[in-house]
Amino acid sequence: GEDVEQSLFLSVREGDSSVINCTYTDSSSTYLYWYKQEPGAGLQLLTYIFSNMDMKQDQRLTVLLNKKDKHLSLRIADTQTGDSAIYFCAEAPGGYNKLIFGAGTRLAVHP
Amino acid sequence: KAGVTQTPRYLIKTRGQQVTLSCSPISGHRSVSWYQQTPGQGLQFLFEYFSETQRNKGNFPGRFSGRQFSNSRSEMNVSTLELGDSALYLCASSRLAGDGELFFGEGSRLTVL
Repeated sequence: GEDVEQSLFLSVREGDSSVINCTYTDSSSTYLYWYKQEPGAGLQLLTYIFSNMDMKQDQRLTVLLNKKDKHLSLRIADTQTGDSAIYFCAEAPGGYNKLIFGAGTRLAVHP
Repeated sequence: KAGVTQTPRYLIKTRGQQVTLSCSPISGHRSVSWYQQTPGQGLQFLFEYFSETQRNKGNFPGRFSGRQFSNSRSEMNVSTLELGDSALYLCASSRLAGDGELFFGEGSRLTVL
């Protein structure tokens, strides 16, 4: 069945790197997404990766995709207090906009 | 350019009433999809519209319906509201379906009393 799993909580020190992990189940997913949600707000698209890529880098963000293990990770370099939020991983089975989301990882950044 | 706009941002209804939520996609975007976010169930897909046609539907009862207009704006309606319908309803738009760039609005927070 369709399921996306993420760890629920991550705590890091300001200036360190954060790595948020995700596993998904549907190999037909064309795109895999990372979204950020701050309290009381909607979802902000951070980045996405096409399924034929292994890595994508965008400024402080690095996405790694292991298709064999259906594992996706998001690395945030030089984590700042403004990065504190909930991060959602999502897959898009069949290449449509019917996204399957994980439960979200709450990132807490402390001094 | 303007992002995805959802109205109203907050609303309170009572059980048995019905509600209509509106979503204006990013200019040039033709695909609009809707999601429900609750603390218990997380983010769940409701439906997707493209060029006024519903292309995908999630596992929600028939009380949940939607439509898309020729200008790509979309509305969703929930009839006979139940307490469990209290949620943040999020709309997302993309130029085409499945092109990777799927942007969300700020959501409409519905409270059912």
